[in-house]
Amino acid sequence: DGGITQSPKYLFRKEGQNVTLSCEQNLNHDAMYWYRQDPGQGLRLIYYSQIVNDFQKGDIAEGYSVSREKKESFPLTVTSAQKNPTAFYLCASSIEASYIGYTFGSGTRLTVV
Amino acid sequence: SQQGEEDPQALSIQEGENATMNCSYKTSINNLQWYRQNSGRGLVHLILIRSNEREKHSGRLRVTLDTSKKSSSLLITASRAADTASYFCATDRTSGSRLTFGEGTQLTVNP
Repeated sequence: DGGITQSPKYLFRKEGQNVTLSCEQNLNHDAMYWYRQDPGQGLRLIYYSQIVNDFQKGDIAEGYSVSREKKESFPLTVTSAQKNPTAFYLCASSIEASYIGYTFGSGTRLTVV
Repeated sequence: SQQGEEDPQALSIQEGENATMNCSYKTSINNLQWYRQNSGRGLVHLILIRSNEREKHSGRLRVTLDTSKKSSSLLITASRAADTASYFCATDRTSGSRLTFGEGTQLTVNP
């Protein structure tokens, strides 16, 4: 079955550490997105990529980095520069330029310890 | 600020009742979508309505769009306990290149 896989489901980060969240899709979608969701709030866009080897900053990109070396993969690194990283992170994909019906992964819950 | 704002923030009803959630937005859009999120999970696409449409149905869901008022509503008829979730509207702005999500309505359907 086609879909998006995020891993790990839960992740704990120590102060000053970089951590990488994985997002893989087998839907043959060109566009991929990373969102951050804080408790009781909506989704805020971190980064998005419409094509391999290209990506753009979203509304809250500071302290995050991404890469898009393969169409299927869009990993997100939460760097030590992100001062408040505890949140629920959601990856999504869509058919390029349609923006219709995003498919979401099941999320990664990141906690700073 | 967020493009979409849902109202109410939280809604609690009894099974069998109808649930209505509203979404307002600020700029011109190509389409508006509604998503559902169960607790601790990803979002699931429910229904899309284009800017030239006024109403759309899908099963127990009915969506309306009023572009003059920049607002949309999602009606869930004959609600079930399994409908308990957060519901988000998302807009595809004519000037933008990706979806913008509102803050959601938390719906609780009591059995």
